Amino acid sequence: AQSVTQLDSHVSVSEGTPVLLRCNYSSSYSPSLFWYVQHPNKGLQLLLKYTSAATLVKGINGFEAEFKKSETSFHLTKPSAHMSDAAEYFCVVSDKQQAGTALIFGKGTTLSVSS
Amino acid sequence: DAGITQSPRHKVTETGTPVTLRCHQTENHRYMYWYRQDPGHGLRLIHYSYGVKDTDKGEVSDGYSVSRSKTEDFLLTLESATSSQTSVYFCATGTSGTDTQYFGPGTRLTVL
Repeated sequence: AQSVTQLDSHVSVSEGTPVLLRCNYSSSYSPSLFWYVQHPNKGLQLLLKYTSAATLVKGINGFEAEFKKSETSFHLTKPSAHMSDAAEYFCVVSDKQQAGTALIFGKGTTLSVSS
Repeated sequence: DAGITQSPRHKVTETGTPVTLRCHQTENHRYMYWYRQDPGHGLRLIHYSYGVKDTDKGEVSDGYSVSRSKTEDFLLTLESATSSQTSVYFCATGTSGTDTQYFGPGTRLTVL
């Protein structure tokens, strides 16, 4: 069965410092992996996705994530945080072998950015 | 985003009343989904549809039903609302059952 674990429920950084949001996954087959962002009182926006083409995936707004099969991890990083990055981030897995079963969401990591 | 709208955006209702939430898409995506979002749980799938009149249950389907009579609309119905169904409901669409999903703005439902 698929599952996703976001290792931190809350991360706080200062503006201009690096961001690291950690995600481990479990999947029986070759997974698709996603990071979505949700700003307060908004819907979810796709940041980036991994679908086996390249292990380092670049997304919008300077975010990137690296797929590490040996560690079953898909951590999200950004070199320099901006105040506008404050939001909730979801790591998500989709099992390619089970069409229509939708996405499995982690419980989310709230990113706070201070000036 | 993928041209997804949800209505209403906010609703307050009383326990025991029926409630219908509507999701409308203009992208002609085959798959449509209803999720609920609750603190500490992320998003959980309620029901999904893989075509007109084709639907299936998700992880938390008890107390909910859905209908899809045309490609662009996916309705979620709470037959008799309960306080435990107070939540934010998101609709999503996708072209494939295993690839990117695009989310609507959400509906905040409060059941008193």
